[in-house]
Amino acid sequence: QITLKESGPTLVKPTQTLTLTCTFSGFSLSTNGVGVGWIRQPPGKALEWLALIYWDDDKRYSPSLKSRLTITKDTSKNQVVLTMTNMDPVDTATYYCAHSWWFGVPSYFDFWGQGTLVTVSS
Amino acid sequence: EIVLTQSPGTLSLSPGERATLSCRASQSVSSSYLAWYQQKPGQAPRLLIYGASRRATGIPDRFSGSGSGTDFTLTISRLEPEDFAVYYCQQYGSSPGLTFGGGTKVEIK
Repeated sequence: QITLKESGPTLVKPTQTLTLTCTFSGFSLSTNGVGVGWIRQPPGKALEWLALIYWDDDKRYSPSLKSRLTITKDTSKNQVVLTMTNMDPVDTATYYCAHSWWFGVPSYFDFWGQGTLVTVSS
Repeated sequence: EIVLTQSPGTLSLSPGERATLSCRASQSVSSSYLAWYQQKPGQAPRLLIYGASRRATGIPDRFSGSGSGTDFTLTISRLEPEDFAVYYCQQYGSSPGLTFGGGTKVEIK
């Protein structure tokens, strides 16, 4: 049974760096084809993909946010970490991590965490 | 980057009715790499359909996906009370990245 859970601060100040951790179980990020991604959703708005990391340490980023994002994995801890620099109030959103697959291309998300709401405010 | 436009924004229907949701892409989606998700208030999205027409594990057969190229459709054959939610399409497999549509809310009429 695959589960994922996001953790991190609920409130960050503008210009600060956000660090979120996704802790998962039921799969290994050392298995061929497996990936973990981050997706966010501002209140009342649509989903936005942020980043993906794969079993082979291949990393993909949203072009519009690439300069601000870093995704890393710790396979031994079953964790994926996302950092986002220079936070702004428009980054206020629920941040989700999710399990994905590599089919020669990035793909869909079949298992999701419950999400964590991050508010950016001074 | 491929832009996905979902229509209508809101669909007002009664239980038992058929729902037809549209997702149009700004350019052709490779190999029908399109997924659909359902999201209920306060919950994470749930994968319904991938590969444009393949139901994910445990998804009832009243949900079906179709389409190719730039035009895709999610159909719910007979709405159950638990189907009233927001639905998102997502394209994958294209460079530079993944994109989601703006969503369609299916509400009770």
